[in-house]
Amino acid sequence: KAGVTQTPRYLIKTRGQQVTLSCSPISGHRSVSWYQQTPGQGLQFLFEYFSETQRNKGNFPGRFSGRQFSNSRSEMNVSTLELGDSALYLCASSPQQSTVYNEQFFGPGTRLTVL
Amino acid sequence: DQQVKQNSPSLSVQEGRISILNCDYTNSMFDYFLWYKKYPAEGPTFLISISSIKDKNEDGRFTVFLNKSAKHLSLHIVPSQPGDSAVYFCAANWGGYQKVTFGIGTKLQVIP
Repeated sequence: KAGVTQTPRYLIKTRGQQVTLSCSPISGHRSVSWYQQTPGQGLQFLFEYFSETQRNKGNFPGRFSGRQFSNSRSEMNVSTLELGDSALYLCASSPQQSTVYNEQFFGPGTRLTVL
Repeated sequence: DQQVKQNSPSLSVQEGRISILNCDYTNSMFDYFLWYKKYPAEGPTFLISISSIKDKNEDGRFTVFLNKSAKHLSLHIVPSQPGDSAVYFCAANWGGYQKVTFGIGTKLQVIP
């Protein structure tokens, strides 16, 4: 099976712009989560989508949004970029069903730099 | 508010010896714990997990211990190999959904 893919891998934007990141989960996985990784903060949960519905949301401002399509592919959008948004954005998919815990499979991430 | 804490940012161990990575948590609702390993320029990969109803889980060279009363878990790697050099993240989950809280990671260096 192909792994989780994320595009683009690297992105440079300027303050005030908006950005859209894309994630294709492993085939058959319906749960897609997004994380922000910054030095000293580890991985911080942004949100999780399951069957096109946002099931969980982390403590991030409304500038961060996402969606999931019927084929489970997901996009994450950040509007009005700030310097502090510079980070590695990781997408993870899981075959999560109901209340059964499953490990997540991560993509390589998108490195976003805001100038 | 760090609900999952990895207080050692780095650890160096000789090849063949035991590596012990520690993790503390504050949220008593957590009922499932995981360890992930991350190499540079790659996403984290799942290593091992443990449910709160257990106190130990083994998978080859990797063993995770859970002490619920102390809200502490540890990952033991025996014997350590140079290929184990990576950043290790402790993570915790609850509620049956994928709302995982990660620690900030511990960088393990295994010296040949």
